[in-house]
Amino acid sequence: NAGVTQTPKFQVLKTGQSMTLQCAQDMNHNSMYWYRQDPGMGLRLIYYSASEGTTDKGEVPNGYNVSRLNKREFSLRLESAAPSQTSVYFCASSGSFEAFFGQGTRLTVV
Amino acid sequence: GQQLNQSPQSMFIQEGEDVSMNCTSSSIFNTWLWYKQEPGEGPVLLIALYKAGELTSNGRLTAQFGITRKDSFLNISASIPSDVGIYFCAGRNYGGSQGNLIFGKGTKLSVKP
Repeated sequence: NAGVTQTPKFQVLKTGQSMTLQCAQDMNHNSMYWYRQDPGMGLRLIYYSASEGTTDKGEVPNGYNVSRLNKREFSLRLESAAPSQTSVYFCASSGSFEAFFGQGTRLTVV
Repeated sequence: GQQLNQSPQSMFIQEGEDVSMNCTSSSIFNTWLWYKQEPGEGPVLLIALYKAGELTSNGRLTAQFGITRKDSFLNISASIPSDVGIYFCAGRNYGGSQGNLIFGKGTKLSVKP
């Protein structure tokens, strides 16, 4: 009963390095989302994908790219990490009504 | 863009007290969702509401979908220390922006034993 699985759980990057955060869901959901969570800021939408093959920008897309590889997987890429991207990143997936979250990736950029 | 106003931002209560928090919006939503997030974890869905006026309970938690479809509240009765966490509301508005899913900024609940 996996639900939404994110990898890695923790990551430390140096400024300028790149990395990809992986997300997979096993609930056959059409929609998938990437959020970042900073202290006192709640959940801010980075990108979302309403269905396989489509992606759209959210509230804070700058510095990120996404790929909806197939219906199960939605990845988030940081091409050149900056300290301002230090945050906790959550992936979520949704069918028609409810949305479910992964456990998060805690990213630190030094 | 669409926004959800969630209040209060934080609450400090004594064990055994009841808790009430709410979310309001200028937009109409088709579904309301309430989540709890514990430290170091992702948000976990507590209650989903699907139609205006609906009142749903999950143990000591009760949530209602406002009749105007622009608000929702969550009540926790007889709070216990494990209720500590951040509670988020979310509204779904089919055809809207942000992937049709809008989140409030959360209510941080602290419970004193």
